[in-house]
Amino acid sequence: DGGITQSPKYLFRKEGQNVTLSCEQNLNHDAMYWYRQDPGQGLRLIYYSQIVNDFQKGDIAEGYSVSREKKESFPLTVTSAQKNPTAFYLCASSPQGPGELFFGEGSRLTVL
Amino acid sequence: AQSVTQLGSHVSVSEGALVLLRCNYSSSVPPYLFWYVQYPNQGLQLLLKYTTGATLVKGINGFEAEFKKSETSFHLTKPSAHMSDAAEYFCAVSDAGANNLFFGTGTRLTVIP
Repeated sequence: DGGITQSPKYLFRKEGQNVTLSCEQNLNHDAMYWYRQDPGQGLRLIYYSQIVNDFQKGDIAEGYSVSREKKESFPLTVTSAQKNPTAFYLCASSPQGPGELFFGEGSRLTVL
Repeated sequence: AQSVTQLGSHVSVSEGALVLLRCNYSSSVPPYLFWYVQYPNQGLQLLLKYTTGATLVKGINGFEAEFKKSETSFHLTKPSAHMSDAAEYFCAVSDAGANNLFFGTGTRLTVIP
């Protein structure tokens, strides 16, 4: 059945390491998004992509990078430049922005 | 610029009581409005949405919301709370020309047996 798959669900990393979070969708949606969620702050947009090979920065892109080489995939790399990377990361997609978003189950990153 | 304000980061109700979660928005153009629910360590699930047409919108699990332009509000209600309604609820706003949704900071609903 169709949906969005994020992996890993839980991830631990040491300071100074880059880490890549996977997001795959089989909904045939054009647009994909990455959000960061922190307690009491709601969801903040990191990057979004409306078409293959194109993406735009969101509100908090510093320290993150993305790629969109395939319609189904939108991986997020958390680099060592991100000062406070411990958070819950949510990937979403939509048929065409900005309507209803379909979310994955999330990935919780903890920096030790 | 668009923004969303959710009044009350925590709301507690007794089982069977009315649920009212407040959302006010700011938008310079006619908005699209959404309510999402999130259970612990999971993604968000759409409860209901308003784009155009009837201002009273019915969603899943017995929830509904009314778009009131004069009050710039989109409050979420449910006549009778159930234990399974305990979760975090997010209001979001967008418009036809935007590239993404703007989310409120969320309201955690606790249901007391």
